[in-house]
Amino acid sequence: GAVVSQHPSWVICKSGTSVKIECRSLDFQATTMFWYRQFPKQSLMLMATSNEGSKATYEQGVEKDKFLINHASLTLSTLTVTSAHPEDSSFYICSARTSGQETQYFGPGTRLLVL
Amino acid sequence: AQSVTQPDIHITVSEGASLELRCNYSYGATPYLFWYVQSPGQGLQLLLKYFSGDTLVQGIKGFEAEFKRSQSSFNLRKPSVHWSDAAEYFCASVGDSWGKLQFGAGTQVVVTP
Repeated sequence: GAVVSQHPSWVICKSGTSVKIECRSLDFQATTMFWYRQFPKQSLMLMATSNEGSKATYEQGVEKDKFLINHASLTLSTLTVTSAHPEDSSFYICSARTSGQETQYFGPGTRLLVL
Repeated sequence: AQSVTQPDIHITVSEGASLELRCNYSYGATPYLFWYVQSPGQGLQLLLKYFSGDTLVQGIKGFEAEFKRSQSSFNLRKPSVHWSDAAEYFCASVGDSWGKLQFGAGTQVVVTP
């Protein structure tokens, strides 16, 4: 139980294009989803928190117009990197938890390479 | 501010030997504490968690952790490591009412033959 998937696992795109990453909870209702970014050999950096049906709450320093987050259903959240640039290349990981539970379950991550 | 500290960035251990990873937290009340493991290029897998009750927590893959309030610690242990335990290990605590996780910097575990 508590499985979270991400799609795609790998994406390569040209600078200036937009990329959408999906995060799905497969066997539970994810009332809250979190999006993280991880640089090589570093810990996870929280980008934003989204509650189903509400606007995402972004961490300080994260551009909300660049990293668009949608959490329209209890099983799906999407992160869209708009007008991607090489510095956006990173490993993006989502996690999900259900209401009343503190445990976050993580997806397998999406590696983004912007050329 | 609440924080989680993993003092050891890198640990090398021989296969079959015991392993202990240190984690210290800074939090006023009883925290919710977690240990996650990350293999290269993968997401995080939950090893175990502590919310309350018995301070010795058993997890998956033969791992256990002990919560010690007096030392503000939640160290992870495994009696005998396997080569497949080579990975990055993260200690984390819930930092606020939103349920945001505060992560430690991580400890890289290398297992030698």
